[in-house]
Amino acid sequence: EVQLVQSGAEVKKPGESLKISCRGSGYSFTSDWIAWVRQMPGKGLEWMGVIYPGDSDIRYSPSFLGQVTISADKSISTAYLQWRSLKASDTAIYYCARYSSDWNALDIWGQGTMVTVSS
Amino acid sequence: EIVLTQSPGTLSLSPGERATLSCRASQSVSSSYLAWYQQKPGQAPRLLIYDTSSRATGIPDRFSGSGSGTDFTLTISRLEPEDFAMYYCQQYSSSPLTFGPGTKVDIK
Repeated sequence: EVQLVQSGAEVKKPGESLKISCRGSGYSFTSDWIAWVRQMPGKGLEWMGVIYPGDSDIRYSPSFLGQVTISADKSISTAYLQWRSLKASDTAIYYCARYSSDWNALDIWGQGTMVTVSS
Repeated sequence: EIVLTQSPGTLSLSPGERATLSCRASQSVSSSYLAWYQQKPGQAPRLLIYDTSSRATGIPDRFSGSGSGTDFTLTISRLEPEDFAMYYCQQYSSSPLTFGPGTKVDIK
């Protein structure tokens, strides 16, 4: 079964750092892009960026450039989303999703990681 | 950046009725790069339609997509109880990838 499994919910304080993960299985992890998508409470979907695990080519949305870091470790089929200094406004659900080049769409989604930033 | 606008914001219908959801782009989108997603409360989004009109694996044929250029439509021919949800369109014809704000289909 093709799936993306994300790390569990996090509760952090403003200013703390965080790295969440997304592990792929059931397909060739290095052959498809992995995207990160933010969903703030009660709001819509926002694309943050994508990474190609095969060569770590990364594209950021202008809205998120400099705010987060996307990376991947292809040896363990895992992509990451990282913050150096969290803000309360980073409170959201973060989804990873596989971008299928065949379909030009996000065809497989992780279950989401809830990040809560509160003092 | 291509901005996607979806209408209506909320569509109140009864089971068995036809739902027509609109997605309008601020500039032309290649039909190969327009997709639709369904999201239910507490769940991750699910791909319904890609390439404007192709159904993803396991999607029933009551869901159909159409359109070109700047105007795209998702049609649900006969609403089933499980279809009441939020629907988003998305484009990647040009970077950055963008989503529409969503249309909520709720029970009348």
